[in-house]
Amino acid sequence: GAVVSQHPSWVICKSGTSVKIECRSLDFQATTMFWYRQFPKQSLMLMATSNEGSKATYEQGVEKDKFLINHASLTLSTLTVTSAHPEDSSFYICSAPRVGARINAEAFFGQGTRLTVV
Amino acid sequence: SQQGEEDPQALSIQEGENATMNCSYKTSINNLQWYRQNSGRGLVHLILIRSNEREKHSGRLRVTLDTSKKSSSLLITASRAADTASYFCAATTYNFNKFYFGSGTKLNVKP
Repeated sequence: GAVVSQHPSWVICKSGTSVKIECRSLDFQATTMFWYRQFPKQSLMLMATSNEGSKATYEQGVEKDKFLINHASLTLSTLTVTSAHPEDSSFYICSAPRVGARINAEAFFGQGTRLTVV
Repeated sequence: SQQGEEDPQALSIQEGENATMNCSYKTSINNLQWYRQNSGRGLVHLILIRSNEREKHSGRLRVTLDTSKKSSSLLITASRAADTASYFCAATTYNFNKFYFGSGTKLNVKP
């Protein structure tokens, strides 16, 4: 079964509204989670690293005020797309390595959230 | 950009044939991993090869790694229709568990 769960799996929102996506590790704790964005027929682009108890670190070119990340607990990270616009429409995926796992072990990925901004 | 490249971008074969996908990366790696993604779904880990390894097998999967050329290949033997999916390589760096994904190969296995 899934060990990382994302919610919702899809969402349609109006332009200008904000959307929150949750990423939960189900049976393990994750001090770090990662958020990716995937455009149709393209690869995954790392957006940011979510750190429990501290600020997220963003990849170059990713607007931190646009994509708010909160890692409130060892099992939950949230990504909020603020003032969404149609160009934000994409597939968003989170991942988490298991705490205590050797560095760079395989990651567990959520099932993804398809965001459509109309 | 840290993203890698994969070729071919798309591959269509008959069931029972072998499928080979190649991946090149740019960064220095700790390990390289291959993932599978069914359309519109999350990623499933397939196999991991460490930077000091050259070849690894897992079931019908065979992965090679050439760190001097910064390239890797994934071979799926005796393919099945259920193998139809997109396959991505992911290079991991020595810190922070960051993954940098290749552009992906879309594999279609015809029954």
